[in-house]
Amino acid sequence: AQRVTQPEKLLSVFKGAPVELKCNYSYSGSPELFWYVQYSRQRLQLLLRHISRESIKGFTADLNKGETSFHLKKPFAQEEDSAMYYCALSGPSGYGNKLVFGAGTILRVKS
Amino acid sequence: GAGVSQSPSNKVTEKGKDVELRCDPISGHTALYWYRQSLGQGLEFLIYFQGNSAPDKSGLPSDRFSAERTGGSVSTLTIQRTQQEDSAVYLCASSPRLAGGANTGELFFGEGSRLTVL
Repeated sequence: AQRVTQPEKLLSVFKGAPVELKCNYSYSGSPELFWYVQYSRQRLQLLLRHISRESIKGFTADLNKGETSFHLKKPFAQEEDSAMYYCALSGPSGYGNKLVFGAGTILRVKS
Repeated sequence: GAGVSQSPSNKVTEKGKDVELRCDPISGHTALYWYRQSLGQGLEFLIYFQGNSAPDKSGLPSDRFSAERTGGSVSTLTIQRTQQEDSAVYLCASSPRLAGGANTGELFFGEGSRLTVL
């Protein structure tokens, strides 16, 4: 079964501090991992996906299969990063693979 | 069209009534998802439609919940005999298919329908 765990409901940091949003997953095959973000009064949207190995808005995430983790990191938090962040998992791209989300972590960046 | 469109944006109903929530996906997107977003529960998967395949209904919480997708486009989520615990934001998302049939994994979400059951 697919399962995504985000252990922190709320993470509060000061502007300029490093940020790490934790995500652990459970999946028997080769998963695809994603981070989605929802800013205040905006739609939920894709932030980044592990297969792209990209940095978006200064955020990066590395898939660690040994630890079954996909933590989201940013070296210097900005106030505009304040949002709800969801980690999500699906099976390998193909037919019939639904996307399962974690419970989400609220990130608050204080000035 | 712009993006995924959902209606109504807000619905207040009395316990025991039936409600219908509508989703218009982005044109050409073959996959359509329904999720429920509530405080403390995060984003809960409900149902997933992919082209002409049988839908994945594994997330529907009870038989009071059902969904259909007509003509591979518009979808309706129906909740019968609503209960107070059904109060939540119901999100619809659609996703395109890559050449060859694979899903991209990128979901485009609507703004949601906020349901309040009194």
